[in-house]
Amino acid sequence: AQSVTQPDIHITVSEGASLELRCNYSYGATPYLFWYVQSPGQGLQLLLKYFSGDTLVQGIKGFEAEFKRSQSSFNLRKPSVHWSDAAEYFCAVGKIQGAQKLVFGQGTRLTINP
Amino acid sequence: GAGVSQSPSNKVTEKGKDVELRCDPISGHTALYWYRQSLGQGLEFLIYFQGNSAPDKSGLPSDRFSAERTGGSVSTLTIQRTQQEDSAVYLCASRIRQGGDNEQFFGPGTRLTVL
Repeated sequence: AQSVTQPDIHITVSEGASLELRCNYSYGATPYLFWYVQSPGQGLQLLLKYFSGDTLVQGIKGFEAEFKRSQSSFNLRKPSVHWSDAAEYFCAVGKIQGAQKLVFGQGTRLTINP
Repeated sequence: GAGVSQSPSNKVTEKGKDVELRCDPISGHTALYWYRQSLGQGLEFLIYFQGNSAPDKSGLPSDRFSAERTGGSVSTLTIQRTQQEDSAVYLCASRIRQGGDNEQFFGPGTRLTVL
């Protein structure tokens, strides 16, 4: 069965510090991987996705993620966080072909200290 | 352009009542999804529509849940005889087409509270 694990429920970093959010997945085929961000009371906004090709993908708001097939990981990184990055982050996996019924991780809540 | 819209944004109902939640997808998107976000279960898939094909209902938690999509556009999720465990945020998403390198765009959600 497909599953996504985000080991960190809550992370606190200082503004300007670097950030890495972990995501591990279990999937029987080549996965289509996503990171979404959700601000309070808002829907999900796509940060970036991995479909194929270069395993280091760039997204919006200065985020990047690296797909590592050998580790079944798709960790999200940002070199310097801003107070506006405080939100909940979700990693998700889906099929490349057919219906893209996403399986989500439990989410990581990011708090930024001034 | 306009994104995915959902109404109402908040719904409070009494246990045992029926509710209808509406989703307006992005114009031209042929695929439409419903998800539920709850404290206990996280984000989970409910149902998927693609064009005129029969919907994929594999994520619906019980037969009290149903959904339809009229004219390949607007979708309504109906929950009959609501229970307190149905309290959650219901998210709708649309996608331009099935397959290929394209992603889902999510609406703001409907927060359902069952008293």
